[in-house]
Amino acid sequence: TQLLEQSPQFLSIQEGENLTVYCNSSSVFSSLQWYRQEPGEGPVLLVTVVTGGEVKKLKRLTFQFGDARKDSSLHITAAQPGDTGLYLCAGAVNLNAGGTSYGKLTFGQGTILTVHP
Amino acid sequence: AAGVIQSPRHLIKEKRETATLKCYPIPRHDTVYWYQQGPGQDPQFLISFYEKMQSDKGSIPDRFSAQQFSDYHSELNMSSLELGDSALYFCASNLLLTHNEQFFGPGTRLTVL
Repeated sequence: TQLLEQSPQFLSIQEGENLTVYCNSSSVFSSLQWYRQEPGEGPVLLVTVVTGGEVKKLKRLTFQFGDARKDSSLHITAAQPGDTGLYLCAGAVNLNAGGTSYGKLTFGQGTILTVHP
Repeated sequence: AAGVIQSPRHLIKEKRETATLKCYPIPRHDTVYWYQQGPGQDPQFLISFYEKMQSDKGSIPDRFSAQQFSDYHSELNMSSLELGDSALYFCASNLLLTHNEQFFGPGTRLTVL
């Protein structure tokens, strides 16, 4: 069973501050996704990382996949109130056609981010 | 761009009743996943279908069943509903070989009274 430990669980900061959310596991993942979820809505995909050491940037958001593909981080620069929400990391292990796992996602516990004006 | 469609968006049932949730994946996506998200919890994988065949099974109760039809839409059937089944149910779809970028629907909020 793959487990993803996401931290911190809650984060309350002022507008303009920087923050980092971590996602760690003892398992290797084929890919790792970061989602943002609004209350009562479905998770919205922000980014997918697949290569160890990969870094992707999405405006003020920087995503990194660990060299061993066991951990990832999300860094937000100069946070804004519009960044407020639930951030989820999710990992997947894709096996070949002879395997039994076809890409189901294992989610971290989520980080509730609140950015105060 | 077309997204994943789920219906109904809200459903209220009594204990021991049955419920059917529907999911219409993004066109040309070949895989559908169902997840359950309890209050304050992260989504938990229930079951998935690849090309209309069950491909993986997670923590899905025996009271629940699902299938994927020839037009690739999927239905999650839930019987003998319990209070603990109250949750958000999400469907996600993808093309299996695309690094597993799953796209989620808006969810169905099931309330069991």
